[in-house]
Amino acid sequence: EPEVTQTPSHQVTQMGQEVILHCVPISNHLYFYWYRQILGQKVEFLVSFYNNEISEKSEIFDDQFSVERPDGSNFTLKIRSTKLEDSAMYFCASSAGWREKLFFGSGTQLSVL
Amino acid sequence: KQEVTQIPAALSVPEGENLVLNCSFTDSAIYNLQWFRQDPGKGLTSLLLIQSSQREQTSGRLNASLDKSSGRSTLYIAASQPGDSATYLCAIPLQGGSEKLVFGKGTKLTVNP
Repeated sequence: EPEVTQTPSHQVTQMGQEVILHCVPISNHLYFYWYRQILGQKVEFLVSFYNNEISEKSEIFDDQFSVERPDGSNFTLKIRSTKLEDSAMYFCASSAGWREKLFFGSGTQLSVL
Repeated sequence: KQEVTQIPAALSVPEGENLVLNCSFTDSAIYNLQWFRQDPGKGLTSLLLIQSSQREQTSGRLNASLDKSSGRSTLYIAASQPGDSATYLCAIPLQGGSEKLVFGKGTKLTVNP
C-alpha cells in the first residue's frame, strides 16, 4: 500500500539553527500538509499546500516557517531559526482530494536544545 | 470555533470485549469526520472517514456512527484484541472552506490479554 515517507525520524538541533524536514507524499495525491504534536498535546495544523502554493496556514506558521515542493515528489518544511518551543513531532500528510482521507507519515521528532 | 473533545482520556478493557469510544464536537455543521489510530511514537493511520450525510461507516471490526444534531460520533470496536491497543483520535475539518483538521486529544485504549 502506498505510504507517506518522512526523513529523518529524529532530528536534534541547537536553538537558532535551521532545520529542514523531508517528506515524500503519496505519488498521485494533490494536497499536502504539515501538522505537529507537542508531547501530551493535540495534533495541530501548520500548513496546507495545493497546486504549488500554500492554500492555508495557521497562526503557528509564522515567518520562521516555509514549505517547498522542489520537484515532483518531495515536500519540505523549513524552520529558519529554531526555538525551544518548536520541539515536537512533525507529521507530513497528503490526500488525493479536498477534505478526503488523510494519509500521515510516521513523523520526525524534532528536539531543539 | 470548532472544539473536539474525547472522553475518556484512557480506557482499559479485557480482550474480547466490545467497546465504544466517544467524540464530541461543538459545531454541528461539519463536512465529515475522521477517526485515526496512533501507535506510540508513530504516525496516524486513518481508520474511517464518515461524511456528514452518512450515519454510519464500517470497516471490519470497526463501526463509526455520526449524530450531527447532538454533536457526537462514536467508534465501536467489536471483539477487541491486544493489537487494538493504541490512541484513537477523531478529527473534523474547520468550518467554511478550511482544509485544517481540528483534532481531539484522543482516547488511549489498552486491551489486556
